[in-house]
Amino acid sequence: DTGVSQDPRHKITKRGQNVTFRCDPISEHNRLYWYRQTLGQGPEFLTYFQNEAQLEKSRLLSDRFSAERPKGSFSTLEIQRTEQGDSAMYLCASSLGWSDGGLGYTFGSGTRLTVV
Amino acid sequence: GQSLEQPSEVTAVEGAIVQINCTYQTSGFYGLSWYQQHDGGAPTFLSYNALDGLEETGRFSSFLSRSDSYGYLLLQELQMKDSASYFCAVRDRNTDKLIFGTGTRLQVFP
Repeated sequence: DTGVSQDPRHKITKRGQNVTFRCDPISEHNRLYWYRQTLGQGPEFLTYFQNEAQLEKSRLLSDRFSAERPKGSFSTLEIQRTEQGDSAMYLCASSLGWSDGGLGYTFGSGTRLTVV
Repeated sequence: GQSLEQPSEVTAVEGAIVQINCTYQTSGFYGLSWYQQHDGGAPTFLSYNALDGLEETGRFSSFLSRSDSYGYLLLQELQMKDSASYFCAVRDRNTDKLIFGTGTRLQVFP
């Protein structure tokens, strides 16, 4: 397993366009998380899945954002009608949940979104 | 809610020891974690304190005191490659999600 993969690495889009990001977690990890990080700040929680079930969504996740994990494997994060304020690094992470013995999350390298 | 505060920046020279503090206000969590993030890179897991006390992993040690709502990351024998941002994070008791601190940018000089 090569870790958590995110695609694309970079995305430049015009304001008002829709974008979709993909995350492939570590295969045996049942939990998948999406975070957003802006320059000089810590990652901010957006949403997470246990298998295919989306269990929590942050208030940061407006109705323009939607995430799916249809078969409990890869996940997609879609942003509709992008705004300049959406410009950020979008990070995906996966974990074994409570059984990881404190091993923590494994993060992907992120997708850097720039809205122009 | 949870909030975790860290100094914004710390500087040190190669070979030195540096301590990065984390103070938190949180309503229940399992453990304090530390992550390292190089510019343009992904956060990588460094250390986890489930209980009060000191955890040592090579050149890095982490400490937690729940009674003081305080923890720190200690980096010894600093190397240039340690220049990065460091984040403390708590694991929410109910959801297992990580709540990250504000981050500390460490610059190591020769």
